[in-house]
This record gives sequence, structure tokens and C-alpha cells, in this order.
Amino acid sequence: EVQVVESGGGLVQPGRSLRLSCTTSGFTFGGYAINWVRQAPGKGLEWVGFIRRKSQGGTTEYAASVKGRFTISTDDSKSIAYLQMTSLETEDTAVYYCMADIFFFDYWGQGALVTVSS
Amino acid sequence: DIQMTQSPSSLSASVGDRVTITCRASQGITHHVVWFQQKPGKAPKSLIYAASTLQSGVPSRFSGSASGTDFTLTISNLQPEDFATYYCQQYLILPYTFGQGTKLEIK
Repeated sequence: EVQVVESGGGLVQPGRSLRLSCTTSGFTFGGYAINWVRQAPGKGLEWVGFIRRKSQGGTTEYAASVKGRFTISTDDSKSIAYLQMTSLETEDTAVYYCMADIFFFDYWGQGALVTVSS
Repeated sequence: DIQMTQSPSSLSASVGDRVTITCRASQGITHHVVWFQQKPGKAPKSLIYAASTLQSGVPSRFSGSASGTDFTLTISNLQPEDFATYYCQQYLILPYTFGQGTKLEIK
């Protein structure tokens, strides 16, 4: 059974950093892209970025709103993906979802709430 | 970036009704559209990919279609569990972009 679980959310001050983890199981980690999608309170969905499958180079892409501040990486030995967030802004307040794109955006975690506030 | 203009933003309907939600892409994206259902406090669920193909396990009352840059999600014979928010997303060109969402409420 595929499982995707985010952790690491919380309250952080503007300008500070936070790292989210996405712990996965039940599929060949590295064989599929891992996406991060966020949802501000009461708002719609926003794609944050992804890391491609290993066979496609394992490279990353980001939304313009986070490029240069957010970094996606993986620990293949632990089947964990990370979203390192730096220079956080109040506009980054959202629930962050990790999604394993095994078959057309199908496996999502429960989300991790990140609140950026002083 | 490709804009996905979704309409309506909200919709009231009754159990048993048939409803249609539309997304218009700002440029051609062939069939690269997925539809999601999201219930309050839950992660989105992928319903339809490639504009018209149902994900495994999704009831057949859900259907999708495409005509040029217009994409449609249709739900026939609405069931109580279908009342949720629906989003379209294009996945042809980065950055992936979503529609604004359609909240389907019980009349």
C-alpha cells in the first residue's frame, strides 16, 4: 500500500527557514516524481515544485513564487523527500502537500500546515 | 504561465442532478488536464486524467471531455458524497497550474 506522510510543519517567523519531510512507502522511491503543492487558508491549490524520477535525471523545477528560496531534495535510502524553505514570507502560510506522481497525481499526503507569522 | 479559467466558482445542486464544470486554458494543452476532488480538511483526489480517462475506482457518473482549450467535468446523478470542491490542472507546460476551484454545494 502506498503511503505518503508529511511532517515538519509549524509556526515560523518571517525570514526564517523550515524543512518539511515527506516520508513514503509502498512504491519504488526514485521511480516517480515527487511534487509539492500548497494551499493557503481558504484558497485554491498552487503547485510549488517537483523532483523528477531518477530515470529523468532527478532534477527539480519550481514555481516562480518560491524559486531561489525553496529546495526539493531526497534521501533515497530512507524514501524521504524534503522541501527546504528559506526566507519565508507571510504569503507562504499554507498547508503543504507532498504528492507522489505514480499514476497521474494520485498519491497525496495529509498535508502539513506552515504558518509564517511574527 | 498557462492560465486555467474555471467556472463557475460555486454551484448549488440537488442529489440526482447532473452538473458541469468547465476549465478554459489560455493556450493549447492538448489533453493534458487532470481533475481533482477535494473535501474539507482533506488532500485532493485525482478523478480524471488526460482530460477524459477515469482514475481507477472513480465512479462512472464522473466524466471528462475536451474541445480545443475547453475542458469539462460532468457529474451525473449527484450523490451526497460528491459535494466538494473541484479543481482542474494542466500538466503539459511548467509551471503546472490549477483552476480557481468550483465549490459544489447541496441545494
